[in-house]
Amino acid sequence: EAGVTQSPTHLIKTRGQQATLRCSPISGHTSVYWYQQALGLGLQFLLWYDEGEERNRGNFPPRFSGRQFPNYSSELNVNALELEDSALYLCASSLDRSNSRQYFGPGTRLTVT
Amino acid sequence: QKEVEQDPGPLSVPEGAIVSLNCTYSNSAFQYFMWYRQYSRKGPELLMYTYSSGNKEDGRFTAQVDKSSKYISLFIRDSQPSDSATYLCAMSEYSSASKIIFGSGTRLSIRP
Repeated sequence: EAGVTQSPTHLIKTRGQQATLRCSPISGHTSVYWYQQALGLGLQFLLWYDEGEERNRGNFPPRFSGRQFPNYSSELNVNALELEDSALYLCASSLDRSNSRQYFGPGTRLTVT
Repeated sequence: QKEVEQDPGPLSVPEGAIVSLNCTYSNSAFQYFMWYRQYSRKGPELLMYTYSSGNKEDGRFTAQVDKSSKYISLFIRDSQPSDSATYLCAMSEYSSASKIIFGSGTRLSIRP
């Protein structure tokens, strides 16, 4: 069974640009979560999508947004990139909204210069 | 005070030793407890998942939850160099994953 996949692996952008990160959950999983893992800060919850709807968001500004497609894959968009946005962005999926067993993808490393 | 506290390490032990990794927490409503292993430049991998208090064993790994002390542990027996990674504890009040709180992780190094 294929795990959670993310693309691209690495992304380099300059300040002010926009970044788009993609995630495909495990087949059959409907919930997708996005986390930011910056150096020394641990995993910070960003967004949760389930059945195509945004269900919850963490303490991040509105320039962090995303969506979930009918096939349950998801996209994270970061607008007006700042240097502090440089981090590993992790996507996780769970079977459904009531299940706390999350399975993570390998992440996208975003570097903002 | 953070909701979940985890010693960042690094923790270095010789191969074959028993490793003990720990987290403390402040929210007595937490019921679901998880341990993740994260290798360098990879995503976290779910190792152990427990509900409420007690022990759970899986191969060389044992997870222990003491809700009265708000303390959870992960024990690794017969540690191997391949166990070298960062270990993250995580916990939640609900079965839903939307409110999982992660510890900051402990870096573990197993010396051959």
